[in-house]
Amino acid sequence: DSGVTQTPKHLITATGQRVTLRCSPRSGDLSVYWYQQSLDQGLQFLIQYYNGEERAKGNILERFSAQQFPDLHSELNLSSLELGDSALYFCASSVSTENTEAFFGQGTRLTVV
Amino acid sequence: EDQVTQSPEALRLQEGESSSLNCSYTVSGLRGLFWYRQDPGKGPEFLFTLYSAGEEKEKERLKATLTKKESFLHITAPKPEDSATYLCAVFTGANSKLTFGKGITLSVRP
Repeated sequence: DSGVTQTPKHLITATGQRVTLRCSPRSGDLSVYWYQQSLDQGLQFLIQYYNGEERAKGNILERFSAQQFPDLHSELNLSSLELGDSALYFCASSVSTENTEAFFGQGTRLTVV
Repeated sequence: EDQVTQSPEALRLQEGESSSLNCSYTVSGLRGLFWYRQDPGKGPEFLFTLYSAGEEKEKERLKATLTKKESFLHITAPKPEDSATYLCAVFTGANSKLTFGKGITLSVRP
């Protein structure tokens, strides 16, 4: 167990809908990262938050947004969902922004039908 | 743009048959190279961080090494429970992200 908790584990929704994925980082970790993993693309960095502030952005679509709350948990919001958004979404956390020993949660499997 | 290439894509070994997994990278200013293990349907599990050429780290049957252009994950006398996908990632610090390779799927037969 990495100590990073993601909910829900599975999510099935229809095209055009909006969903929210939740992540609780390891105790003491201030940095949260979101990644998308699909079969053809591998793990793709989406966005990073550090202590409540957005720190870095990767290949995140405008339909997607995220935030980190004062208690350090994070949410990834995906809207106007398309079939191609079906993937595993992982959250990772680390103590700092240096990505040293980033620990991953078990992921949320999103299926858009 | 940072690039990470892992080879081979898949590797099948007999139990006890040692081998190496390769991760080659092209980055500007490597600050760290990470190896992760991922089981099907699970999140990546951290294995090693290497920071500079010549560095080596070991954990049980695994040994990771780093040069200026590539990293190797050596697996000595593997067991079936070592079957997994092994991911390599680089960190340059430019935008705080890890750039991952596509992974090597290792299958160890008893």
